[in-house]
Amino acid sequence: GQSLEQPSEVTAVEGAIVQINCTYQTSGFYGLSWYQQHDGGAPTFLSYNALDGLEETGRFSSFLSRSDSYGYLLLQELQMKDSASYFCAVGLQGGKLIFGQGTELSVKP
Amino acid sequence: DAGVIQSPRHEVTEMGQEVTLRCKPISGHDYLFWYRQTMMRGLELLIYFNNNVPIDDSGMPEDRFSAKMPNASFSTLKIQPSEPRDSAVYFCASGGISGLTGELFFGEGSRLTVL
Repeated sequence: GQSLEQPSEVTAVEGAIVQINCTYQTSGFYGLSWYQQHDGGAPTFLSYNALDGLEETGRFSSFLSRSDSYGYLLLQELQMKDSASYFCAVGLQGGKLIFGQGTELSVKP
Repeated sequence: DAGVIQSPRHEVTEMGQEVTLRCKPISGHDYLFWYRQTMMRGLELLIYFNNNVPIDDSGMPEDRFSAKMPNASFSTLKIQPSEPRDSAVYFCASGGISGLTGELFFGEGSRLTVL
């Protein structure tokens, strides 16, 4: 089977930097994705790492270490609108995508 | 493109009734996924299709659930008979080569309440 672990909640202040970690146990691993979901709406894609290293997209960066089965999402210059749930998801052989339980990020003024 | 379209957006039904949820994926996408989201269980993968063929239905909770994809532009998820524990938000998502890019496009979801 597959398992993913990420913190259930994270709180940070506006303008700060926050890191959301994700560890996984799976077979047939292809890559790690990150999604954002506001208030139960449609999850939206943020980033994808297939290879080790850091991928940067504006204020958001995502990191993957395949040897450690570990990744993280880094959010910089936090804004109030970043308050949302963030999900890591493992991409598996055959196109399957399995999501973690999600991390609820609260950004305080 | 209008994105992934799901219907109905909200459904309230009574236990024992049949429920049919519908999804129109983004044109050209060859992967279609059905997920269920609850507070307790998060985003669970129920089933996914590639080129209209079911690839993995191991997440379908029991025989009361069935899903079909008769063509590239339409899929249904049916629950018969429905039970209160089926209450959840059901998301449909489509992707091009999601196994390689990890990118799925989600619909707005169908919020199901079974009384």
